[in-house]
Amino acid sequence: ETGVTQSPTHLIKTRGQQVTLRCSSQSGHNTVSWYQQALGQGPQFIFQYYREEENGRGNFPPRFSGLQFPNYSSELNVNALELDDSALYLCASSFLRDRGPTGDYGYTFGSGTRLTVV
Amino acid sequence: AQTVTQSQPEMSVQEAETVTLSCTYDTSESDYYLFWYKQPPSRQMILVIRQEAYKQQNATENRFSVNFQKAAKSFSLKISDSQLGDAAMYFCAYIRSKLTFGKGITLSVRP
Repeated sequence: ETGVTQSPTHLIKTRGQQVTLRCSSQSGHNTVSWYQQALGQGPQFIFQYYREEENGRGNFPPRFSGLQFPNYSSELNVNALELDDSALYLCASSFLRDRGPTGDYGYTFGSGTRLTVV
Repeated sequence: AQTVTQSQPEMSVQEAETVTLSCTYDTSESDYYLFWYKQPPSRQMILVIRQEAYKQQNATENRFSVNFQKAAKSFSLKISDSQLGDAAMYFCAYIRSKLTFGKGITLSVRP
């Protein structure tokens, strides 16, 4: 089975620009979630996509948006980049049941994209 | 809202010794999962151990075990026979519908 792949691994952008990060999901998984991890901190939940629709969102502004495709891969888009957006962005895939708590099948993480905004 | 607290920013352990990493969480739910993840310098989050809240028995995975106290909302990780490869950041995480992480703890292993 394939794991989760994120691209690019590193990226430098200028304040005000837009960026798109990409993530492939593990085979058999139907859900992708994105996290922002500032240096020395724990990952913060941005949002989650299930069957191509957003089904959960953390405390992030609307300039953070995403997509999930029929093959369950995903994109994270950030508009109007700010210096504080510099962080490691992690993607994770999982299998979500229709009801009940998530967690039965675990989460598989990618190695992240290191975004630097200058 | 769910919160996860890891109050120790750093810990150090001698190789072959045992170390315990602490974690507390807050939730009003009764059915959820708890995890410990390891993040080495390669950045990829690696699942160390998982605990289902409705199971009273503490989870064990080889050298890793947890002490799950549901009433106290405590979930500590014990690493036995520590190895140099155990050095990493460790995150405690809670999930009901979304993953919530603690701030993490940096574990160093002295040879």
